[in-house]
Amino acid sequence: EPEVTQTPSHQVTQMGQEVILRCVPISNHLYFYWYRQILGQKVEFLVSFYNNEISEKSEIFDDQFSVERPDGSNFTLKIRSTKLEDSAMYFCASREDGYTDTQYFGPGTRLTVL
Amino acid sequence: GENVEQHPSTLSVQEGDSAVIKCTYSDSASNYFPWYKQELGKRPQLIIDIRSNVGEKKDQRIAVTLNKTAKHFSLHITETQPEDSAVYFCAASRRLWSGAGSYQLTFGKGTKLSVIP
Repeated sequence: EPEVTQTPSHQVTQMGQEVILRCVPISNHLYFYWYRQILGQKVEFLVSFYNNEISEKSEIFDDQFSVERPDGSNFTLKIRSTKLEDSAMYFCASREDGYTDTQYFGPGTRLTVL
Repeated sequence: GENVEQHPSTLSVQEGDSAVIKCTYSDSASNYFPWYKQELGKRPQLIIDIRSNVGEKKDQRIAVTLNKTAKHFSLHITETQPEDSAVYFCAASRRLWSGAGSYQLTFGKGTKLSVIP
């Protein structure tokens, strides 16, 4: 069964550094998402992406964040200048099309900002 | 925006007993309600979902009920087993019938279920 994959599984960075988190959604899916989960808390929506543009973003997704689909398979989340409070598990998810409901989650990237 | 409340935050049951987790939502336009199971350090996995045109759905030992009037939905696990131990998240979303929209999920805070052998 196809799965969403994410790399790296764990990223450690210094405050102020840029990080790029990578995701490979399921190949025939059209909708892509980033969520984050601070340790012990609920999963929070960051951004959704469709047809090569952001369709919706949350208040968390400020100017420090950006997303890109640089090629036909990868979907990336960039944090330009990381803060301590960006430490969290970041999940990528994908959905097949506008008429299906299920979002499939990747295994996550644990980001630790020191 | 949508707000999802989930109770209880922790739940311990004896193996073989039933477990019930309840969620309420605020946006009456929400029409899709999935439940995810998350084991420690792993990805959230969809275990069951329900759409607003259905009041109840069952899949083996797992069932979900939806009360649109009261805006709440519940997860029922019967004959619990130790491998059911995990954190369970409810979520709500709104899918436009045209297929448009981002369809983001709003999650509850999660319930840590412990099944005691």
